[in-house]
Amino acid sequence: QKEVEQNSGPLSVPEGAIASLNCTYSDRGSQSFFWYRQYSGKSPELIMSIYSNGDKEDGRFTAQLNKASQYVSLLIRDSQPSDSATYLCAVNMRGGGNKLTFGTGTQLKVEL
Amino acid sequence: DAGVTQSPTHLIKTRGQQVTLRCSPKSGHDTVSWYQQALGQGPQFIFQYYEEEERQRGNFPDRFSGHQFPNYSSELNVNALLLGDSALYLCASSLGTGPLTWPQHFGDGTRLSIL
Repeated sequence: QKEVEQNSGPLSVPEGAIASLNCTYSDRGSQSFFWYRQYSGKSPELIMSIYSNGDKEDGRFTAQLNKASQYVSLLIRDSQPSDSATYLCAVNMRGGGNKLTFGTGTQLKVEL
Repeated sequence: DAGVTQSPTHLIKTRGQQVTLRCSPKSGHDTVSWYQQALGQGPQFIFQYYEEEERQRGNFPDRFSGHQFPNYSSELNVNALLLGDSALYLCASSLGTGPLTWPQHFGDGTRLSIL
């Protein structure tokens, strides 16, 4: 079992729709969770961090964390073509300090 | 406020050579982590430096080594380059090393190609 798992996609959504990206992790003791956006050929850009169960909203983005089920998700409302990118889920696992363990990323395509 | 800066942006080497990549952390940050990202994969943790010492290391061979300077900047050295070392090398900085510290911010990366 991979430590952090994401569906590689591509996930295609029409412009204006809600995009839902999911991530599961193996270590129940994980403490911090992050979503990074990565455009092709560029470096990862932090878009959301979440540390406790529940929802955290920032503009069009909502991160959701359920530690009991060991999943974290990212919702993007009113998706725009500029949101087309690969979204990386990253986790600080127990005992790992602030070392990040990444999933392979989900490619999102927002279509006109 | 300067973000994380990396140099060079691109580098082409041949097998067996050695390479040094450089990173300056975001202003106010004291911890530097290095990641390797192969095409189509998520970044893989190489190691982390804090207070000029290697604090954590990922599953990478000893050919990969690093250094942190008193001004918090860092270098990644790779010896005896292999074709498989071709990747995007990312530097990330943060404040402190605990699991609940501020999130890591990445530089633009160095694209290393091995011929």
